[in-house]
Order: sequence, then C-alpha cells, then structure tokens
Amino acid sequence: NAGVTQTPKFQVLKTGQSMTLQCAQDMNHNSMYWYRQDPGMGLRLIYYSASEGTTDKGEVPNGYNVSRLNKREFSLRLESAAPSQTSVYFCASIKQENQPQHFGDGTRLSIL
Amino acid sequence: GNSVTQMEGPVTLSEEAFLTINCTYTATGYPSLFWYVQYPGEGLQLLLKATKADDKGSNKGFEATYRKETTSFHLEKGSVQVSDSAVYFCALILPYQGAQKLVFGQGTRLTINP
Repeated sequence: NAGVTQTPKFQVLKTGQSMTLQCAQDMNHNSMYWYRQDPGMGLRLIYYSASEGTTDKGEVPNGYNVSRLNKREFSLRLESAAPSQTSVYFCASIKQENQPQHFGDGTRLSIL
Repeated sequence: GNSVTQMEGPVTLSEEAFLTINCTYTATGYPSLFWYVQYPGEGLQLLLKATKADDKGSNKGFEATYRKETTSFHLEKGSVQVSDSAVYFCALILPYQGAQKLVFGQGTRLTINP
C-alpha cells in the first residue's frame, strides 16, 4: 500500500547513544515533516523539509538533525540521546498546500 | 499566536450515545481545519476536513462544521460504536516559512463501552 513508512517501530537506547529514524514515502510528495508526540501535548514539529534539498527547524529542533536524502526519504538523527527525547516520533508528508498530511505509524523511542 | 484547544478527556460513553468533542482555534487568516484519529498503536489518520467557513466535513458518520464566527470546529457523531474508541486530534494548517505546518490540539481520548 502506498503511504509513509517509518523504521524502526520500537527502539530502546541508553543515554548518550545515537541513532537515526528512517522515513520514506512513495506518493511523490514534496514536503516532509518530523513530529514528536508526548502525553497531553499533541504533536510538535521538530524539523521539516519543504522540498528536496531543503530542511528547516520547527518548534522543538534542539538535540536533533535531519537529512532529506532524496524526494522519498527524510531521516531524523539523535546524536546523543537524552531521557527527555523519550517519545513517539511521527513522519508525515504532503503534496501541496492546504492538503492533509499523511502520517506514518510512528516510532516509539525510549531513552534510559 | 496560533493555537487549537480541544475539550479535555478522557471521554467515556456507552455504545449508541451521541458524541461531541469541542474544538476551538486561534489563527490569523482563514486556515483549513482537520480532525485526525489515532487508533491504539497506529499513526494519525485524516478523519475529515473543511477548507472554508460554513464547510461541513463528514466521514464514517462523523461531522464537523467550520464556524468562523465562533472559531470552532466541533466533532459530532449521532451514534458511537466500540470501534470508535481512539484519540481524536483537531488541527489547523498554516503557512510556515515557505511550507506549511499543522498545529494540533492536545488530543481527546474517547472510550466507548458496549
């Protein structure tokens, strides 16, 4: 099925470890986004990529980096994981303005 | 600033009850409005949308009307089912630094008992 695919689905890290969350979409969408979801706070935008070759900070970018590898793929990297980064991470994509975003199933990340 | 406020949950109802989940927003201009649903262990799925004032979005028996005068987009369903148990997010979409972003409410957890 077409859509947004995130890997891994679950991950447990120790404080200070690094890892990369992968996201790929096969809908030929231009813009891609990374959000984190925390209890009682809805979703908050970490980084986004308006088009291939561009990335920009969202509301909560500290501690993260991103790479828009090509039009399909947009990865999120934690260089030195901290317990405050324990969350559920969602990738989303959109083709054009004012259209709804399509979401992946999420990556549940725990930092011990 | 731009924000979305939803009624606090959790909300627990019996099957076939009437559902209302309130949503109000603050935004410059006239954003498009959305309701997303998140089932346990899954990502967010678009439930319905409205792009201008007085539009009514509907899907799977759910409805919401874009009310500019009250800046509201309340979600309603006449007869809920156990399968409607999920977390519901109200959201608006805004231009953001050359792209766009969704601004979400905090979510309302709905549980339907048989």
